[in-house]
Amino acid sequence: GAGVSQSPSNKVTEKGKDVELRCDPISGHTALYWYRQSLGQGLEFLIYFQGNSAPDKSGLPSDRFSAERTGGSVSTLTIQRTQQEDSAVYLCASAASSYEQYFGPGTRLTVT
Amino acid sequence: RKEVEQDPGPFNVPEGATVAFNCTYSNSASQSFFWYRQDCRKEPKLLMSVYSSGNEDGRFTAQLNRASQYISLLIRDSKLSDSATYLCVVSFSSASKIIFGSGTRLSIRP
Repeated sequence: GAGVSQSPSNKVTEKGKDVELRCDPISGHTALYWYRQSLGQGLEFLIYFQGNSAPDKSGLPSDRFSAERTGGSVSTLTIQRTQQEDSAVYLCASAASSYEQYFGPGTRLTVT
Repeated sequence: RKEVEQDPGPFNVPEGATVAFNCTYSNSASQSFFWYRQDCRKEPKLLMSVYSSGNEDGRFTAQLNRASQYISLLIRDSKLSDSATYLCVVSFSSASKIIFGSGTRLSIRP
């Protein structure tokens, strides 16, 4: 079956521009997570969606970051006024009730 | 103290060897435990869940020690393809409280 997909796979943007990253989770998975990973570093939790509940935004590093999940499926992570320190791989994962997460291939964001 | 700690390695072992590494966690209320592997420039992939009684999947054995608050991963008869970073993952009271360790790098040499 289809896994988690993310788009674009790579994004180069100029400092100050806004970017949108998309995640299509596995069908039927109610939980969706966003993480980011800088080169050689661990995963940094950003935001978590579970069904119709209010998202857990506790990991978002600043108010320039926001995310939404429409219809309990597709999610979009938006970064406004990008900064060079936002450069990283942004990973999306979905999970069923078991908490076993399945990751997408990530979006590599480069802010120049 | 980090909530989940791993020895970053690298562990460099010959093919065919047995290798084991641990991961410690600080929150005694932790409920679910997992091992993921991550290849260079790839996304993490679930390797196995860790059950209270310990579990085995082929050459891989995972164990949980709640008293000492650590989980372990044992790899027997290591293959070149086992070279990767192994991430320890611990979840707490809710599904959003999932903490990834920084990973242990494993390199298998011919």
